[in-house]
Amino acid sequence: AQSVAQPEDQVNVAEGNPLTVKCTYSVSGNPYLFWYVQYPNRGLQFLLKYITGDNLVKGSYGFEAEFNKSQTSFHLKKPSALVSDSALYFCAVRGRDNQGGKLIFGQGTELSVKP
Amino acid sequence: DVKVTQSSRYLVKRTGEKVFLECVQDMDHENMFWYRQDPGLGLRLIYFSYDVKMKEKGDIPEGYSVSREKKERFSLILESASTNQTSMYLCASSSQQGSPLNQPQHFGDGTRLSIL
Repeated sequence: AQSVAQPEDQVNVAEGNPLTVKCTYSVSGNPYLFWYVQYPNRGLQFLLKYITGDNLVKGSYGFEAEFNKSQTSFHLKKPSALVSDSALYFCAVRGRDNQGGKLIFGQGTELSVKP
Repeated sequence: DVKVTQSSRYLVKRTGEKVFLECVQDMDHENMFWYRQDPGLGLRLIYFSYDVKMKEKGDIPEGYSVSREKKERFSLILESASTNQTSMYLCASSSQQGSPLNQPQHFGDGTRLSIL
């Protein structure tokens, strides 16, 4: 069965420091991987995706994510965190044999960036 | 930009009522989805649809139904609302064109539904 795990419910970072939000996945075959961000009282916004090719994917707002096939991970990173990055982050996976648009989401990680 | 619009941001209903949540997308997307979001549980898929008049059950369809009479509109129906259906409901859409497997889903801002 396909699944996504975000092992940390919350991540706390000081402004200006690098941040990492972790994600591991389980899927048959090669995965399609996505990161979304949710600000308070808003829907999810798409940040970036990994399909194939370069293991380092760049996305919106200065975020990037590193795909590691051997560790089945897709961690979200940013070199220098901003207070405005504080939000809920979701990792999602779609297997290549999955139906059309369906995604499997992780439980979410609350990122808190303090000044 | 893709716009997914949910008709209500906040809704309060009573136990036993029939509740309709409406979602409209303006990008001619084939796929539409309804999720509920609860703290600690992430997003759980209720129903989805690949085409007009077509629907598929997601992971938690019990107590819900859907309607897709037009391509741009996907409605979620709580047949007889119960207090355990108090939640945030999110609608999303995605394209089936090109390489559908790598198309992201685009979300509305959600409806926070309270059942009293």
